[in-house]
Amino acid sequence: AQSVTQLDSHVSVSEGTPVLLRCNYSSSYSPSLFWYVQHPNKGLQLLLKYTSAATLVKGINGFEAEFKKSETSFHLTKPSAHMSDAAEYFCVSHSGSARQLTFGSGTQLTVLP
Amino acid sequence: NAGVTQTPKFQVLKTGQSMTLQCAQDMNHNSMYWYRQDPGMGLRLIYYSASEGTTDKGEVPNGYNVSRLNKREFSLRLESAAPSQTSVYFCASRAWDTDHNEQFFGPGTRLTVL
Repeated sequence: AQSVTQLDSHVSVSEGTPVLLRCNYSSSYSPSLFWYVQHPNKGLQLLLKYTSAATLVKGINGFEAEFKKSETSFHLTKPSAHMSDAAEYFCVSHSGSARQLTFGSGTQLTVLP
Repeated sequence: NAGVTQTPKFQVLKTGQSMTLQCAQDMNHNSMYWYRQDPGMGLRLIYYSASEGTTDKGEVPNGYNVSRLNKREFSLRLESAAPSQTSVYFCASRAWDTDHNEQFFGPGTRLTVL
C-alpha cells in the first residue's frame, strides 16, 4: 500500500525567506504525486502535480517541487514566502483503479512579518 | 462552472439523528469521492464512486452509506450519528481521461454531533 509522510507538522518562516515543506512517499512504482493547499475554513486547492513528465514541477503562486526517486521525496519549495502563503499544505499520492488519494498528515505553514 | 458544491455548509446533530450530505459537480467527471478531515490526520476516504452506478468503501466507511444518484450527484448518509462523526466532510470529483488527473474538492461541510 502507498503511504505519504510529511516530516514537519508545523513550519514557521519569516516573510521574504525561503519555504521548504518536506514529503516522503513509499510506493512500489513511480506514483502520481500532488501538493494541495488549504486556507483556513476553505476547501483544498491544487498547487502542483508530478506526472513523470519532468522531475521539477512548477505550480501556482511561485511554488515548485522536485521528484527524487532515489530519495523517495517530493519536497515543496518557494524562494520567498508571502503572508498569503500561511495555510496547511498536504502532500498526496494516488493509487488504485479509481485513483483514490492517500494524504499526508499535513504541514501548517506560518509566515511571520 | 460552479465546480463541486456541497450542502449544507454547517450542521449540528444530536446523537442518533440521521442526515444526508449532498454533493454535486458540473464538470462531467466520472469519479466522485467523500472524505472526512480530522485534526492531524489529513483527509481519509470514506466512500468513492469510480463511475455512475458503482460505489466502493474507502478507509473509514463504518457508520456511513452513499448513493450515486446520477453522474452529477453523490450523497453521503449518516443513519445514526455519533460524536465520533464530528468532522469536516469534503466531496471531490475527478475526470478519467488521464491517469494523472487531480481531484477537485468542494468547500466542505462542518458537522458537529452532540
